[in-house]
Amino acid sequence: GDSVTQMEGPVTLSEEAFLTINCTYTATGYPSLFWYVQYPGEGLQLLLKATKADDKGSNKGFEATYRKETTSFHLEKGSVQVSDSAVYFCALSDPGTGGFKTIFGAGTRLFVKA
Amino acid sequence: GAVVSQHPSWVICKSGTSVKIECRSLDFQATTMFWYRQFPKQSLMLMATSNEGSKATYEQGVEKDKFLINHASLTLSTLTVTSAHPEDSSFYICSARGSPDSYEQYFGPGTRLTVT
Repeated sequence: GDSVTQMEGPVTLSEEAFLTINCTYTATGYPSLFWYVQYPGEGLQLLLKATKADDKGSNKGFEATYRKETTSFHLEKGSVQVSDSAVYFCALSDPGTGGFKTIFGAGTRLFVKA
Repeated sequence: GAVVSQHPSWVICKSGTSVKIECRSLDFQATTMFWYRQFPKQSLMLMATSNEGSKATYEQGVEKDKFLINHASLTLSTLTVTSAHPEDSSFYICSARGSPDSYEQYFGPGTRLTVT
């Protein structure tokens, strides 16, 4: 079945450091890919998305490119801030096999130190 | 943007009692709502998919009689945890999809349930 694998955390960075959180997926169809962010005590917020190969999603300085050849959707940010500390979830939605259900990765916790 | 609310945001109940959690789409009509459960420091586990006016579709391993889901209108879905026990303590999150053809889901802020 479809699945999402993302790097284990926690990831601890200093402010202004470069961030990469790796995400790979398996899917039988043509999924859309998402990154969600969860701040402490809150629900999930959509951070960015890409619906087809080579699309780049971007928001708030974060970027991720849909790479079909490597089945990846890595999240990057050039300069993180303390306020970016949160849990980041990579996810996919594949209508071919799962209707419009969303499958989430395990989440990667990010700590940014001042 | 699309907003989904949940009520209550946190609830404490005694073992054996039932508790109802509401999920509302505030500025759009949600044809489908999803209920998730999240354990501490873990990912979201889909419990069920709820379509307005029809019975919910439960994921394997989720007890239908324990987690009652009602999607009575296009803006409201409820999850009732019946005869709650301490192991039901968790963070419950709902999401809503506004369009039948859209992948995008809008998430509520979550409800933290503690069963004592």
